[in-house]
Amino acid sequence: DVKVTQSSRYLVKRTGEKVFLECVQDMDHENMFWYRQDPGLGLRLIYFSYDVKMKEKGDIPEGYSVSREKKERFSLILESASTNQTSMYLCASTSGWDKNTEAFFGQGTRLTVV
Amino acid sequence: AQSVTQLDSQVPVFEEAPVELRCNYSSSVSVYLFWYVQYPNQGLQLLLKYLSGSTLVKGINGFEAEFNKSQTSFHLRKPSVHISDTAEYFCAVVPTGRRALTFGSGTRLQVQP
Repeated sequence: DVKVTQSSRYLVKRTGEKVFLECVQDMDHENMFWYRQDPGLGLRLIYFSYDVKMKEKGDIPEGYSVSREKKERFSLILESASTNQTSMYLCASTSGWDKNTEAFFGQGTRLTVV
Repeated sequence: AQSVTQLDSQVPVFEEAPVELRCNYSSSVSVYLFWYVQYPNQGLQLLLKYLSGSTLVKGINGFEAEFNKSQTSFHLRKPSVHISDTAEYFCAVVPTGRRALTFGSGTRLQVQP
């Protein structure tokens, strides 16, 4: 069974803390993504990576950075957490887009910044 | 740039009634189209996708969608819904040659007994 695993389901952090969200996939996928999900806004792309050490900004990268040191792991970093980063964060991975492939999503990390 | 519009934020419907969830997109290039479902406290699960070929696509759980290029739409339908279909549904696109999905704002389907 294919798996995208996010390290935490729920996190509570204080304003100004550095926060790491971890995502691991076991499907040898090249592409990995971090999305933020907010009510009424759907999912918005923060960053994605198409190879080890390669990354591209998504639609809302401000206040975030990412790290991909190994193919299976993609980390999202909040350098200095703020209350407006309270949200659900979803990780996804895919090998590409054709009739035999799809994107797989993790269960999500609900982050609360207080 | 591409965008996705889901025209209804909430759709209440009675059990065994038909339902249509609407999705329109805009893109300067051709796109692949997807519908995902999210059950409470879970990640997203693929319902169906359109890459090419027949414009009527059948997915899991009895859902289907029709790609209409002239209207840039990809509406999701089910002829008879169940209580268990209560969830949030997301339409998404990937422009050909690109890597990342762009999502709509979601439609919450509420199936009532």
